[in-house]
Amino acid sequence: EVQLVESGGGLVQPGRSMKLSCAASGFTFNNYDMAWVCQAPKKGLEWVATISYDGSSTYYRDSVKGRFTISRDNAKSTLYLQMDSLRSEDTATYYCARQITIAAVFDYWGQGVMVTVSS
Amino acid sequence: NIVMTQSPKSMSISVGDRVTMNCKASQNVGNNIAWYQQKPGQSPKLLIYYASNRYTGVPDRFTGGGYGTDFTLTINSVQAEDAAFYYCQRIYNSPPWTFGGGTKLELK
Repeated sequence: EVQLVESGGGLVQPGRSMKLSCAASGFTFNNYDMAWVCQAPKKGLEWVATISYDGSSTYYRDSVKGRFTISRDNAKSTLYLQMDSLRSEDTATYYCARQITIAAVFDYWGQGVMVTVSS
Repeated sequence: NIVMTQSPKSMSISVGDRVTMNCKASQNVGNNIAWYQQKPGQSPKLLIYYASNRYTGVPDRFTGGGYGTDFTLTINSVQAEDAAFYYCQRIYNSPPWTFGGGTKLELK
């Protein structure tokens, strides 16, 4: 059974940093691209970042470029999101998702972790 | 960037009814659309990909259609468990992989 379990969320002050993790199991992690998708409270879904199966390519939405870094450790089957210079508008639930390479659909999602940016 | 616009924002229907919701792309995206269902307090689930292909395990009452800029998600004989938000997403090609704003389906 595919499982994606996020951790590392919580309350953080504006301008500070936070690192999210996503532990994957039930599939061959290094065969799949992985992504982060966020959802602000009472709002819709927004794609945040994607990393290729081998970590060689990364993609970001414009609003997080230069502030967020997606990475992965295939030996540990773990995905990361380093979030720096956090802003109040980054407040959201962050989902880890498996992304099918060619189609770019997200076929499995974690349960999500809440990040609140507030002083 | 391609903008995905969903309509209506919400709809209220009765169990057993048929419902159709819409997704419009600001540019031609071919059949490169996916649909997701998100129930309250849960993470999204993939329903449809490449506009009309039902994902594994999705009941056949869910049907996707359309091509180019206009797409639909139809639920035949809606069940109580179908109450949820539904999101379309541009897929394939290159990022950003944009989602629509969502349609909320409520049961009367």
